[in-house]
Amino acid sequence: KAGVTQTPRYLIKTRGQQVTLSCSPISGHRSVSWYQQTPGQGLQFLFEYFSETQRNKGNFPGRFSGRQFSNSRSEMNVSTLELGDSALYLCASSSGHTDTQYFGPGTRLTVL
Amino acid sequence: KQEVTQIPAALSVPEGENLVLNCSFTDSAIYNLQWFRQDPGKGLTSLLLIQSSQREQTSGRLNASLDKSSGRSTLYIAASQPGDSATYLCAVGKNTGNQFYFGTGTSLTVIP
Repeated sequence: KAGVTQTPRYLIKTRGQQVTLSCSPISGHRSVSWYQQTPGQGLQFLFEYFSETQRNKGNFPGRFSGRQFSNSRSEMNVSTLELGDSALYLCASSSGHTDTQYFGPGTRLTVL
Repeated sequence: KQEVTQIPAALSVPEGENLVLNCSFTDSAIYNLQWFRQDPGKGLTSLLLIQSSQREQTSGRLNASLDKSSGRSTLYIAASQPGDSATYLCAVGKNTGNQFYFGTGTSLTVIP
């Protein structure tokens, strides 16, 4: 069974631009969560989607948004990028309600 | 807001030693707790998941315990090996959905 995949793996953007990250969960998994990991703040929860609906949301500004498609693939969008958005963005999938989380390798975003 | 703390931040042990990693959380109303390992530049790998009604879980050389009333969990690693070198993270699950609060991690180095 294929694991969680994230594309792209690396991304370099400049301030003010926007970016879209993609996450494909394990086949059959309906829940996709997104996290931001930085050296200073550690891992912070962004949001979770379950069956195309946002089920939970962390404390991030509205510049961070996401969506989930009918095939459970999810995208995360960050608009008007700031230097502080430089981070490793991880997505995780699980089969249902609060289950074992399977993480992807992450997308390393650098904002210049 | 749930605060999760891990002590120590870093640990270096000789191969073969048994060791304990600690995790504490401020709100005992948790749904579950997971232990992960993260290798440099990679995503997270789930090690053990403990439901709030359970006291411990075991997998191979790993044993995780949970004491909700005191807000603590420990990860015991028996007969450590160099391949165990990684950062270990504990994550506390909220009552609903797959929103997890992560600790700051313990960086483990096992010396051959």
